[in-house]
Parts: sequence; structure tokens; C-alpha cells
Amino acid sequence: DAKTTQPNSMESNEEEPVHLPCNHSTISGTDYIHWYRQLPSQGPEYVIHGLTSNVNNRMASLAIAEDRKSSTLILHRATLRDAAVYYCILRLITSGTYKYIFGTGTRLKVLA
Amino acid sequence: GAGVSQSPRYKVAKRGQDVALRCDPISGHVSLFWYQQALGQGPEFLTYFQNEAQLDKSGLPSDRFFAERPEGSVSTLKIQRTQQEDSAVYLCASSFSPGLAGIGYFGPGTRLLVL
Repeated sequence: DAKTTQPNSMESNEEEPVHLPCNHSTISGTDYIHWYRQLPSQGPEYVIHGLTSNVNNRMASLAIAEDRKSSTLILHRATLRDAAVYYCILRLITSGTYKYIFGTGTRLKVLA
Repeated sequence: GAGVSQSPRYKVAKRGQDVALRCDPISGHVSLFWYQQALGQGPEFLTYFQNEAQLDKSGLPSDRFFAERPEGSVSTLKIQRTQQEDSAVYLCASSFSPGLAGIGYFGPGTRLLVL
């Protein structure tokens, strides 16, 4: 089964950029790469997604490797409110059904 | 509110009891997912509905777990004869259309504790 691999934890200083890496070497051509984050006692919250090209939105940027076997979530200026567990997810399409495959996530700590 | 809601938010059950967890997806969302999240772990897929049809139940851990979405909107996850290993947060997510990139909107979850 497709899976993602992420570092368990990372630290960043406030107001500095953060690059969160993810490996997904078993990705197939129709799998979308999604990133979600989860605050304590809350459900995961959508951050960004992409298929092949790099993507930008108001929250973050997503850089996807040319071979699609890895991606990086970029928070341009980390704030204390960005402290969360960030999940790199593959959205699979299999025989007409859909599922999100979560990794173990990266716990981001933002230092004031 | 416009988001996904789940009830109850917390449930304590004695081992052997049956429980029912409810999910109200965003109105008009075709796809609905259930996930199980153990403490300190990422969510694990349980089942997927497209409207009222349960198209994938490959993640349900045993036949004690049953999910339904009879009218294509509200969904219920039922766990029969609960066991301690069922203790987890159960998350529901909905998505507008399966044919698109499928941004999923997750509810806050139901935290189940089986004693």
C-alpha cells in the first residue's frame, strides 16, 4: 500500500520559514498529495494539495519533486499558531473508491 | 455551522456495551469517510461512502464495526460489544465530489474510552 514517511518532529523559530519534508516513493500516477495539520483535540485541517506542479495558497506552499516521490510543505513565516502535527497524505483512487492515507506526521514546535 | 459535526464528542463505555457515533457531514457532500485515531498515531482509514453506498469497508477492524449512511447524508458508526482496544478518537470527514482533488473536511472527532 502507498505510504508516506515524515520526520517525527521539527523545531522552528517564530517568523522564520519552515520546510517539512515527506517521502512517498510508492505514489502512483493518480494519487494526490495532501497536507493537513492537526491541533490538539481537533480534527485534521486542510492545508494544501497538489498532483504534479508546485502549489501556493495563503497558508503555505507545496513543492513536489519531479519524480513525485517526495514533497515539501513550506510555511513561509512560522507563527506560534502554526504549532501542530502536520500530516503528509496520499489521496488514493482505487477502483472507484477514495481514501486518504495518513503518515505518522511531523510535530512542529515553534519557538518564540 | 457549516462544518462537519460529530456527536457525542466524548463517550465512555463499559467493555461489552454497544456504542453509536454520529456524523453530520457538510450539506451536499457526496463522499464521507470514517477514520480511527489511536493516541499519538495518525488517523487510520475505516470506511468510505459515496452518497448512501458503502464502497469501501476494508479498514473496519472486525465485524463488530458497522457503518451506515442510509439517506446519503448523516452517517452512524456502530461498534458492538466494545473492547478496550477500541478506545480511540473516531473522525468523520466529508468531501464535495469524489471526482475532484477531494479536499476533505474533518469533524472534531468522538473520543471513545472503553473501560
